[in-house]
Amino acid sequence: QSALTQPASVSGSPGQSITISCTGTSSDVGAFNYVSWYQQHPGKAPKLLIYGVSNRPSGVSNRFSGSKSDNTASLTISGLQAEDEADYYCSSYTSSSTLGLVVFGGGTKLTVL
Amino acid sequence: QVQLQQSGPGLVKPSETLSLTCTVSGDSITNYYWSWIRQPPGKGLEWIGYISHIGSTNYNPSLKSRVTLSLDTSKNQFSLQLSSVTTADTAVYYCAKISGSLGLDFWGQGTLVTVSS
Repeated sequence: QSALTQPASVSGSPGQSITISCTGTSSDVGAFNYVSWYQQHPGKAPKLLIYGVSNRPSGVSNRFSGSKSDNTASLTISGLQAEDEADYYCSSYTSSSTLGLVVFGGGTKLTVL
Repeated sequence: QVQLQQSGPGLVKPSETLSLTCTVSGDSITNYYWSWIRQPPGKGLEWIGYISHIGSTNYNPSLKSRVTLSLDTSKNQFSLQLSSVTTADTAVYYCAKISGSLGLDFWGQGTLVTVSS
């Protein structure tokens, strides 16, 4: 069981927008602005999409955006494209001594219909 | 642009030590923090730990008794050792660079390590 909770799957049609949630606690997502999001295609290494809750690294499309409210972070993908079909993971810094420095969500499989 | 190249065996026997190395090009390892992450087949990501530019470390408590991370600045490399492995340690292991806000912005290609006799 992962420390951060994500929906197992989401889907959308090309051109639509979807949002993936990532729910943590007041020891991680709720307490720090150290939430990151990753995209992983099958057989590939994860790719950083968002860091610091809402910042995009250079080269990442502005169709990807991040936000946070209380203990839940969200990744929104607008203008859905076929190439967005992948697994998405959130992560957060945690102050919990039993979990280490960083915790991940269980991942969300995005299907583009 | 930073690039990370992983090396190490893909098969380790139970009770032995898993050893992987990540060679960094494009920048000095003394400029950043570095981490290891693993992903069991068909499952999600798990943080293993990090090593700082001066060699200080932080480990996932669930693995702490078995993990050692180290730096070799002369070779611009950092390494992972995981002792007393079991089949539960079978996973794709990734090395990655830690950016500001703890995002992992550059990743190695991943190494599937299978624990089997």
